[in-house]
Formats: sequence, structure tokens, C-alpha cells
Amino acid sequence: EAGVVQSPRYKIIEKKQPVAFWCNPISGHNTLYWYLQNLGQGPELLIRYENEEAVDDSQLPKDRFSAERLKGVDSTLKIQPAELGDSAVYLCASSPAVTVAGELFFGEGSRLTVL
Amino acid sequence: GNSVTQMEGPVTLSEEAFLTINCTYTATGYPSLFWYVQYPGEGLQLLLKATKADDKGSNKGFEATYRKETTSFHLEKGSVQVSDSAVYFCALYSGGSNYKLTFGKGTLLTVNP
Repeated sequence: EAGVVQSPRYKIIEKKQPVAFWCNPISGHNTLYWYLQNLGQGPELLIRYENEEAVDDSQLPKDRFSAERLKGVDSTLKIQPAELGDSAVYLCASSPAVTVAGELFFGEGSRLTVL
Repeated sequence: GNSVTQMEGPVTLSEEAFLTINCTYTATGYPSLFWYVQYPGEGLQLLLKATKADDKGSNKGFEATYRKETTSFHLEKGSVQVSDSAVYFCALYSGGSNYKLTFGKGTLLTVNP
């Protein structure tokens, strides 16, 4: 079974430029998460989707961050414009509809460096 | 709010040494507790879990017991291997409408041959 796939793995951009990250969850997983992981910190939830609906986006900085999950499968996280402080790893995770709450399957992450 | 506190790393051990990584938590209600592991170059993966007090989670020789009286979920392994070198994250889920997994900061473990 294929795992959660994220791309790109690494991205280096100048500040004020836009950037987008893509995530393909495990087939059949209805719930999709985007997490932010700063250096030396644990992951923090940005947004959670149930199918195509964003059910928790309270931690997403909506002035510059946006996300979508069209058709309830793949998802894209966008930052526009990027700031120096956005340098971090962006993690995507998924879980099936029926699972032990808290059991998530993570991708390898997208490491963003903003210069 | 919910929070998880892990012992700060890095932790460096010799192969076959005993490992303990401390984890304590603050949460309302009765959370489920988890240890996730991140091997170099890989994504986080679930190592073990416990969903109620006094439960013991175990996997790959690692164990952790859910202690409600001390609000702890310490990770232990009797004999570590070089392949256990990774970052370990303690996490909790407290349920309800706030469906969110709260992570500790992570502890880097390096095991030397």
C-alpha cells in the first residue's frame, strides 16, 4: 500500500515569492491534515479536512496561507507571499474515517527555506 | 489547553543500553497517548499507543505505560540498537470537537555501536 506522498521534498525561495505544496493521502483515507514543524519543535496542526470540507482551520494564518482539497482526495497548501519565518517543514498526514483517534499516517514532509 | 512535555535531548547511548524518554502531559478529560518516531529521512510513524489509564503500549521492543496518577507516558526499551536512532515524539489526543493531536517537542536519540 502506498503511503502519503508529498511534493516537493525541498523548496528554496526568496521572500515574498509564492510556494505551493501538494499531498496525496493514502487511498480511502477521508481525513487529511496539514501540520507545520519548526526546527526543534513538534508538529502543529494547520488545517484538517474531512473529505473536501475544512473542519478545523483555526490555526491556519489566513492572510497568507490557503489550502484546498478538491474532490476530497489530493490537497494543496499555498503560501503567498512567503516570509522568512515560514521556513519550516510542512507535513501532510491522513487517517481513515474509522480509526483510533490520534493514529495518523504522515508523509515525508516538504522542507521550505525562505531566503 | 492540552500540552505535552518531553525530556530534552539529545540523548546519546551505546548499543544495548537501557533507554528512558520521559513524557508528561496536561489535558482535560481522558486523553489517548501516543509515541511517534521519525527515522532519518522518513516521515513520522506511530510507534505505540495507549487509550486508557494503566494501558501499556508496546512495539519493536519499546514500551510505555499510561499513568494517570502521574500524568506520564514514559518510553522505555531494555536494549537499544543503532537502528533505533531517531527523533521520538510524545503526543496526546483528548477527543471531542477539538480533534487535534498535540505533540511534544521531540527527543533526538543517537545510539552508537
